[in-house]
Amino acid sequence: AQTVTQSQPEMSVQEAETVTLSCTYDTSENNYYLFWYKQPPSRQMILVIRQEAYKQQNATENRFSVNFQKAAKSFSLKISDSQLGDTAMYFCAFIGYNNNDMRFGAGTRLTVKP
Amino acid sequence: DGGITQSPKYLFRKEGQNVTLSCEQNLNHDAMYWYRQDPGQGLRLIYYSQIVNDFQKGDIAEGYSVSREKKESFPLTVTSAQKNPTAFYLCASSIEGGHSSTDTQYFGPGTRLTVL
Repeated sequence: AQTVTQSQPEMSVQEAETVTLSCTYDTSENNYYLFWYKQPPSRQMILVIRQEAYKQQNATENRFSVNFQKAAKSFSLKISDSQLGDTAMYFCAFIGYNNNDMRFGAGTRLTVKP
Repeated sequence: DGGITQSPKYLFRKEGQNVTLSCEQNLNHDAMYWYRQDPGQGLRLIYYSQIVNDFQKGDIAEGYSVSREKKESFPLTVTSAQKNPTAFYLCASSIEGGHSSTDTQYFGPGTRLTVL
């Protein structure tokens, strides 16, 4: 079974600085997708970024980028120029190409300090 | 506005009562999902539906039931058989299920269920 591990329960960063959130996963599949979701205090889950395993190029979305290391099964999220609105829980998620069961990590609580 | 709505936002239930959580989407998505979120844990899949009149159990389906009579709607019933129902429930949808289930899932705002 696939598992997703986020080893940092909590992190903090100063406004305008850069922070990296870690995620590792375990799978025997070769084709899959990885996601980072953000859950602010409103508890609405918001997609931050998505990575296809067959793509070598790391995904980027404005201030958000990933470091996808397929061999190491690692998928970290880098947030540049952190803003107060980035304060939220961040969840890493995995889904295999041939199933419907998205697996989530336990989350990392990120606090951006002014 | 296209999106996913869940109602109510907060729900209280007495022990032994069944309760139904609503999830509606107007995104024309085929697949819909129900997740449960407990403190300190990620989301866990309860049920999913790839198409109307069809649904499959997830990891923690015991004590829950669903229906999918319309494409837009995927209500979740928490039955009295669910031993620990107090949690935050999230509904999601994606364009397709099946082999395209890797399409991005979009989430509703959630329902907080508390059993008194």
